[in-house]
Parts: sequence; structure tokens; C-alpha cells
Amino acid sequence: LAKTTQPISMDSYEGQEVNITCSHNNIATNDYITWYQQFPSQGPRFIIQGYKTKVTNEVASLFIPADRKSSTLSLPRVSLSDTAVYYCLVGDGAEDGNNRLAFGKGNQVVVIP
Amino acid sequence: DTAVSQTPKYLVTQMGNDKSIKCEQNLGHDTMYWYKQDSKKFLKIMFSYNNKELIINETVPNRFSPKSPDKAHLNLHINSLELGDSAVYFCASSQVSGVYNEQFFGPGTRLTVL
Repeated sequence: LAKTTQPISMDSYEGQEVNITCSHNNIATNDYITWYQQFPSQGPRFIIQGYKTKVTNEVASLFIPADRKSSTLSLPRVSLSDTAVYYCLVGDGAEDGNNRLAFGKGNQVVVIP
Repeated sequence: DTAVSQTPKYLVTQMGNDKSIKCEQNLGHDTMYWYKQDSKKFLKIMFSYNNKELIINETVPNRFSPKSPDKAHLNLHINSLELGDSAVYFCASSQVSGVYNEQFFGPGTRLTVL
């Protein structure tokens, strides 16, 4: 059972704001929502994490509605170097108590000049 | 200094061989992980160690054996390599165990089994 659902891919022009949505209908009460970014031929890199409402850092903003069944990662004024796969993750509540990050397929974002 | 390093970066080998991938982190973290990313880009956790103790062991063939000589190192040994083992293997570390702790990933090791 997939923990998160994201669009497979999206294109955006340089300089635009990019909003990437993620559905997590079965999110558990104690789950946080975490986003990672993966450039080609590199390992994933942590971007941002939140539990509810809005979180902002120097890279992105994360918007989480009250029901927490979805979230939106917002990248302000993207550049070509923001072309990457973006993963939305929640803990998968494994029975052994050691939660894992469940990486889905991710969302391939391509920034066009 | 590279925070999480892996060697080798590329590994090409024949079916049936045994190979190892090494991982080292200089972040002083307690927890280390091995992930496998297949050709469809699915990234799946394989193992996790916390202070040299195995805490996560996913459904991975017994041919895969992790070893943690100390908390800064987590190596992955693979016996009797198969075609389906071809993938990119990522090592990662986090300060402590727990899914909400930021994980730092290595550059990956691309394994090709012929």
C-alpha cells in the first residue's frame, strides 16, 4: 500500500514558482512529512520537514492543511539547477517500531529555460 | 570533506561473483543505512544499523550481508551476484535512529552485473 502519491513529472519555466503536491491519505497521527530532492547521479538530499500548517526555510516552503492528508512543496523562482526528482515521504509505521522512510516514485521536475 | 562516502562508485562484475561496497561517514552519526535504487528509480531501504547494532532488516536475500565494524562504517557484502542485483546502492546516515531525523546520503555505487 503506497504511503504517498505524487504526480510523476512536471515542467516549469525558469523563474517561476513551482508547487509540488503530495497525497498521504493514511498519514498516522505521529507522522511527519518530509521532502527530499535527488539530482541525477546523486543521493537524495533533505529539503524540508513539517507536521502541520506552514514551514519555511531558505530553500522551500511546505504547506500542510489541517487534515494533513496532503502537502505542497513550494519552490520559489526555480532555476535550471532545480531540475531533480522530489520525494514526499511519511513514516511507514512498521510493526517493529523502527519506522522507515518510505520513498515513493517521486516527482520529476524539469526546469526549462 | 565528504560527509558520507562510498567506494567504489562503479562496480561491474559477472554473475556469481562476490563483491563488497564500503561506506564511511564522518558526521559522528549513530545510525547508518543501505538503500537500493532500481532502474525505475524506486528507492528502498535494505538495512539500518544503530551504534553497530542491526535495527532494520528488510526482506532482502541472504546473499546480502551488512557489516558495521564501528559506527562510522557500514559495509555491504553481496554473495553470488545475480542480474537483478544491478542497481544503484546508496549509503546514508542520520544523527540518531528514527524516521524523522534527516538522513545524509552518499553519492551511490552503481552495480552492474553481467
